[in-house]
Amino acid sequence: QKEVEQDPGPLSVPEGAIVSLNCTYSNSAFQYFMWYRQYSRKGPELLMYTYSSGNKEDGRFTAQVDKSSKYISLFIRDSQPSDSATYLCAMTGNQGGKLIFGQGTELSVKP
Amino acid sequence: SAVISQKPSRDICQRGTSLTIQCQVDSQVTMMFWYRQQPGQSLTLIATANQGSEATYESGFVIDKFPISRPNLTFSTLTVSNMSPEDSSIYLCSARPAGDTEAFFGQGTRLTVV
Repeated sequence: QKEVEQDPGPLSVPEGAIVSLNCTYSNSAFQYFMWYRQYSRKGPELLMYTYSSGNKEDGRFTAQVDKSSKYISLFIRDSQPSDSATYLCAMTGNQGGKLIFGQGTELSVKP
Repeated sequence: SAVISQKPSRDICQRGTSLTIQCQVDSQVTMMFWYRQQPGQSLTLIATANQGSEATYESGFVIDKFPISRPNLTFSTLTVSNMSPEDSSIYLCSARPAGDTEAFFGQGTRLTVV
């Protein structure tokens, strides 16, 4: 079993839809959670960072962490074609620890 | 945050040769990392580049194949040695500023070995 599981998609939605991207993990020591966005032929770009459980909102993006269920989510409201990219979750147990990445979910937002 | 410049952005190389990838960070960082990403796959950590000491390699990666230099707090290189077509991949440099948990990435080097 992988430490971090992420549905690879692809996920296709119409413009304006609410998108939910999810990761599950098995290591209860993970406390720091990140979401990266990677456009085709580009490096990953940090989108959201959260510590421990709870929600964090930044514009159209909301990151949720449920440590009791070992489940994290990224919600994108009013999705735009420019949101079309691969979204990777990443997590670690301590500040200097190795980041463990999910497989990435490929998202396509159709105009 | 950190801005990372990586070069070359892409290259096509003959098997048996070596390629050195350079990574420059716009600020001093404590930790730098090298990843490999196969098409459609997630990131696999190759090694952590330590300033002033040898790199720490992950299981399945060895220094002879992927020698790494870290001469200062803003620069690192990764060499892919004696290349074979199986080394064709995207290689990514990453940096983590002091006190940060988040890591930042360069644009990647798309390597094709023929």
